[in-house]
Amino acid sequence: GAVVSQHPSWVICKSGTSVKIECRSLDFQATTMFWYRQFPKQSLMLMATSNEGSKATYEQGVEKDKFLINHASLTLSTLTVTSAHPEDSSFYICSAREPRGGQPQHFGDGTRLSIL
Amino acid sequence: GQNIDQPTEMTATEGAIVQINCTYQTSGFNGLFWYQQHAGEAPTFLSYNVLDGLEEKGRFSSFLSRSKGYSYLLLKELQMKDSASYLCAVEDSNYQLIWGAGTKLIIKP
Repeated sequence: GAVVSQHPSWVICKSGTSVKIECRSLDFQATTMFWYRQFPKQSLMLMATSNEGSKATYEQGVEKDKFLINHASLTLSTLTVTSAHPEDSSFYICSAREPRGGQPQHFGDGTRLSIL
Repeated sequence: GQNIDQPTEMTATEGAIVQINCTYQTSGFNGLFWYQQHAGEAPTFLSYNVLDGLEEKGRFSSFLSRSKGYSYLLLKELQMKDSASYLCAVEDSNYQLIWGAGTKLIIKP
């Protein structure tokens, strides 16, 4: 079945550091990928929709200059959290969907980001 | 606005059956998905309904009524490992997934 790979799975770094998270679709081409954030015991929150070859579409309240998204190929999207602060600590999850109709989003394993 | 409602939490007994309901109001409809999410992990896909009726997959079944804006996920022969959150998501006319807040299912021995 469709597989989405996300790296790294865990990041601990100092405040002010920029962190890059990669999301790859391993056996299908994904023109669209999605980035979510989830705080403990809360629901998934869509941050942005990443479109191959064009700018990402950000949800209301998500700072596009803080969360940089690059979707340079049909199998890779990256999320960079720039100048991360403790309040950015969260579980970040990407997903991708096969371009055929009626296909579910397949999720990566997520990245747990802890900013000290 | 777009809205998906599901119970916050449910409790059931090992070996029993539980039904998790989901009602939705969205701008268009292109399908409804159920996902399972264990604590600290990413969601995994369970089922997809686009036409009215019941879809069965082993111990799990999902039902859809488009006219009522209603779906349920039925879990049979509950096992302790079924303790998780169950997320209902609807794809709207723009093929955007609208997520419910999830139902935390607690299985007791």
